[in-house]
Amino acid sequence: LAKTTQPISMDSYEGQEVNITCSHNNIATNDYITWYQQFPSQGPRFIIQGYKTKVTNEVASLFIPADRKSSTLSLPRVSLSDTAVYYCLVAFYNTDKLIFGTGTRLQVFP
Amino acid sequence: GAVVSQHPSWVICKSGTSVKIECRSLDFQATTMFWYRQFPKQSLMLMATSNEGSKATYEQGVEKDKFLINHASLTLSTLTVTSAHPEDSSFYICSARDNVWAWGSPLHFGNGTRLTVT
Repeated sequence: LAKTTQPISMDSYEGQEVNITCSHNNIATNDYITWYQQFPSQGPRFIIQGYKTKVTNEVASLFIPADRKSSTLSLPRVSLSDTAVYYCLVAFYNTDKLIFGTGTRLQVFP
Repeated sequence: GAVVSQHPSWVICKSGTSVKIECRSLDFQATTMFWYRQFPKQSLMLMATSNEGSKATYEQGVEKDKFLINHASLTLSTLTVTSAHPEDSSFYICSARDNVWAWGSPLHFGNGTRLTVT
């Protein structure tokens, strides 16, 4: 399975928009992408999920280009409580394996 | 809804002993559960896929005789770390997929078990 990669870390300030990208070059037609948030010593918490184009919910947006080789999680106006590690997860249909990306540590400053 | 309970949340054991970790889906049924391991400042690594009523499927490099998985009901999967050693110290996280949904359902995760082997 191809590695799913993310930037190691990002810094932001309160109120700013944050975009975190995940690269998944070997994604196939029926594979889907999910983003999770994780705080220290806790399990991942679901943020958003999609197959293609754009998905939006009350906390985030997910942008997936036509080739689906990457996806971008967009957090519209971050707050201090958004400081966490963010993971993309690709669900591979053919193998039924759900593989996490390398994770991005987001630090939000006041 | 869609709560996954993992127990214990932390455990300390002596080298050579075995430890059992439980993963329960509280308000849904899960034919498939997944076990992950996470070392400090690293991503979650898939260890095995647990299917109710059948043998688990282990990822390459994960010893099935060391990490015993039992998924005897649609709401419970257990991971037993046998003859634990200090290098097995890690954060173990389970997840479950709701049977109601077809392919495409997001996973629901437990809150993890911190295992420390002394």
